[in-house]
Amino acid sequence: SQTIHQWPATLVQPVGSPLSLECTVEGTSNPNLYWYRQAAGRGLQLLFYSVGIGQISSEVPQNLSASRPQDRQFILSSKKLLLSDSGFYLCAWSQSTFEQPQHFGDGTRLSIL
Amino acid sequence: QKEVEQNSGPLSVPEGAIASLNCTYSDRVSQSFFWYRQYSGKSPELIMSIYSNGDKEDGRFTAQLNKASQYVSLLIRDSQPSDSATYLCAVNGDNAGNMLTFGGGTRLMVKP
Repeated sequence: SQTIHQWPATLVQPVGSPLSLECTVEGTSNPNLYWYRQAAGRGLQLLFYSVGIGQISSEVPQNLSASRPQDRQFILSSKKLLLSDSGFYLCAWSQSTFEQPQHFGDGTRLSIL
Repeated sequence: QKEVEQNSGPLSVPEGAIASLNCTYSDRVSQSFFWYRQYSGKSPELIMSIYSNGDKEDGRFTAQLNKASQYVSLLIRDSQPSDSATYLCAVNGDNAGNMLTFGGGTRLMVKP
């Protein structure tokens, strides 16, 4: 069966510091991968998605970036965090065939001080 | 712009009752529909998928889809306090990346 791992679970960072969140999927190949952010009490905001190695699409312009160095690895980065980057960051995957649901990792709760 | 609308709630039902959660969507070409449950502080968990008009049952959950009315619903029978969570409706349009448009969620409270 497929599993998705996301770490760290909790992160506290100062304003202006860099960020790297990692997500890996096991038990499948060539998955679609997604990064979402969920602000407190709000809905899910799609940040990036990827349909293959090195292929990244950005949904929202901001100071975040994403990379997919390997088939089942997805990384969310920032060079300089802003206070507004606080939130619950979720990685998700889906099969690459049509009409498949997404499956979420446990998430990273990021607090910017 | 594709939109998925849900009543934010909270929807309060007594234990043992049927909870009815509703969702409307704007994109007529949408083909697949999903319900996720999200407990406070946790990530969303897929609980139901539905692709064709009509009803789909899985245990205490029934998803209902009406593409003509652009309406999808989730019924939870014999509601339990453990069902208290936010329920997210998600719609997959005709896209190769399986991108989903999520509703804002309905918060369900089941009172003992």
